[in-house]
Amino acid sequence: DVKVTQSSRYLVKRTGEKVFLECVQDMDHENMFWYRQDPGLGLRLIYFSYDVKMKEKGDIPEGYSVSREKKERFSLILESASTNQTSMYLCASSPPRGGLETQYFGPGTRLLVL
Amino acid sequence: GQQLNQSPQSMFIQEGEDVSMNCTSSSIFNTWLWYKQDPGEGPVLLIALYKAGELTSNGRLTAQFGITRKDSFLNISASIPSDVGIYFCAGPQGGSEKLVFGKGTKLTVNP
Repeated sequence: DVKVTQSSRYLVKRTGEKVFLECVQDMDHENMFWYRQDPGLGLRLIYFSYDVKMKEKGDIPEGYSVSREKKERFSLILESASTNQTSMYLCASSPPRGGLETQYFGPGTRLLVL
Repeated sequence: GQQLNQSPQSMFIQEGEDVSMNCTSSSIFNTWLWYKQDPGEGPVLLIALYKAGELTSNGRLTAQFGITRKDSFLNISASIPSDVGIYFCAGPQGGSEKLVFGKGTKLTVNP
């Protein structure tokens, strides 16, 4: 069974803190993605990675960075958290193209920045 | 870039009713995906469609890949309270590993 896990379901941080969100998948997928989800705005892609140490900016990368040191793990980093980064963060993974383009999602991390 | 327009934005229905929602685009898609997101959870894939005209069922759910390849429909028959959630359509962004998502249809089912 496909499994994407995220390190925390809920997180409360203070403005200016450095925040790490971790995502692990056990499907040996090449591609991994970070989205944020806000009411009325749907899912917006922050960053994605198509291989170890490879990353590409999504639609809203400002204020975020990522790290992919191992195939199964993709980390999202908020260098200096701000209140407008309060959101639901979703991680996903998928096999390479030709793998039916289906993305599998983790349960999400609800982040509150005070 | 490619965009998916999903409608309606929200639906309030009575248990037992049938539901229909759709997704349209000005661009052609070669794959259509339908996801459901339960409150407080991540989206889960319901149905994947890979051929124009394809009609696929998953229990009480039926989805169709439009002939023009610019739209898709999801129907839920005899709705039950656990159908509550947000339904997203999605399709691969041309030539990339990324998906384009609709903004979702929020479904509320009254018992």
